[in-house]
Amino acid sequence: EAQVTQNPRYLITVTGKKLTVTCSQNMNHEYMSWYRQDPGLGLRQIYYSMNVEVTDKGDVPEGYKVSRKEKRNFPLILESPSPNQTSLYFCASTKGQSSYNEQFFGPGTRLTVL
Amino acid sequence: KQEVTQIPAALSVPEGENLVLNCSFTDSAIYNLQWFRQDPGKGLTSLLLIQSSQREQTSGRLNASLDKSSGRSTLYIAASQPGDSATYLCAVLSNDMRFGAGTRLTVKP
Repeated sequence: EAQVTQNPRYLITVTGKKLTVTCSQNMNHEYMSWYRQDPGLGLRQIYYSMNVEVTDKGDVPEGYKVSRKEKRNFPLILESPSPNQTSLYFCASTKGQSSYNEQFFGPGTRLTVL
Repeated sequence: KQEVTQIPAALSVPEGENLVLNCSFTDSAIYNLQWFRQDPGKGLTSLLLIQSSQREQTSGRLNASLDKSSGRSTLYIAASQPGDSATYLCAVLSNDMRFGAGTRLTVKP
């Protein structure tokens, strides 16, 4: 089954404790991206990657890191999480090297930073 | 910078009613527009993708239209059902992807 998977689905952590949210897709898509969704603000792009070893900032990259060492994986790293990073996070992938094809989303990761 | 607006923010209708959700965008230089459905606490499910060269797409009871020149798209849902209750998001795809804030739809039995 073609899908985007994220882990963990739910995470409660404390300020300053490094964490990684994994994202994996099995559709051989080149383009992958991370979004956060907050009430009243909608979905905002954090980082995106057009292909292996190519990443770039989205609208709200501060406090986040990403890496793209393999085509199928695109982990999101929070080196020192803060309470304002409490949010619902989505990973997405798209065929091709831009966002202008149909995007497929993962199930989401609900992160709470205390 | 592209801005995407969805009106209304919330909509409640009785079962069986036909309804229209609206999406407007400020920059007409887009590649595509995609409509999604999101159930509470869940991910986004793609409903329809309209290429910039197309004017509409249909899937079952759903029909989406696109008017690039006026910066508008509509999602038409025919014969609404309680199972259609969800938040509907439109996303405009250009150099990046911009989402509207969504319309929360409730279909009452």
